[in-house]
Amino acid sequence: AQKITQTQPGMFVQEKEAVTLDCTYDTSDPSYGLFWYKQPSSGEMIFLIYQGSYDQQNATEGRYSLNFQKARKSANLVISASQLGDSAMYFCAMRRSGGSNYKLTFGKGTLLTVNP
Amino acid sequence: GAVVSQHPSRVICKSGTSVKIECRSLDFQATTMFWYRQFPKQSLMLMATSNEGSKATYEQGVEKDKFLINHASLTLSTLTVTSAHPEDSSFYICSPGTLNSYEQYFGPGTRLTVT
Repeated sequence: AQKITQTQPGMFVQEKEAVTLDCTYDTSDPSYGLFWYKQPSSGEMIFLIYQGSYDQQNATEGRYSLNFQKARKSANLVISASQLGDSAMYFCAMRRSGGSNYKLTFGKGTLLTVNP
Repeated sequence: GAVVSQHPSRVICKSGTSVKIECRSLDFQATTMFWYRQFPKQSLMLMATSNEGSKATYEQGVEKDKFLINHASLTLSTLTVTSAHPEDSSFYICSPGTLNSYEQYFGPGTRLTVT
């Protein structure tokens, strides 16, 4: 079984500052993938970043980076230079490796508010 | 990324009626389709998984006779909410899957309101 824990129901950050959204996970799968999605008020799920469990380097995508600490089973999302448009719900998710035909397990999410 | 469409985007129906939601993967052959439900201020919860041409597998607590899933082709899956009740009001999201890609995309979602 897989479990994702996001302990921050809500976070506030000042525009142009960096923010870290926490995610810890638990799984019995030897190989897995970790995802972060952004969900604005429109409801669409926007893929942000992916980290494979055997990737040696932390994933980065523009202003998003994933701080992957395998031994601690954490996969925190770092957003640099926050923008007002970053205000949204953020979900951490995981899936066993092997392709997108395996289901994703989601955390409860963190609501990020960026203040001007 | 892959283009996934859902129709309708919003639907309001009366209690007791049935509603069909279509999910299409427009540039992607979905051997698997995941259907999620999301209640307000909550996370996505997997309802069922279907593989093209076979019966869907439902998660615990999801009534298979109430939520009918058809995955007849690699580009189309449908979710029918039968005899809808107000407690079925939710945001329904599909997500196609394939062995050949790690990326997981989602449809834009369907907001169902049952009055």
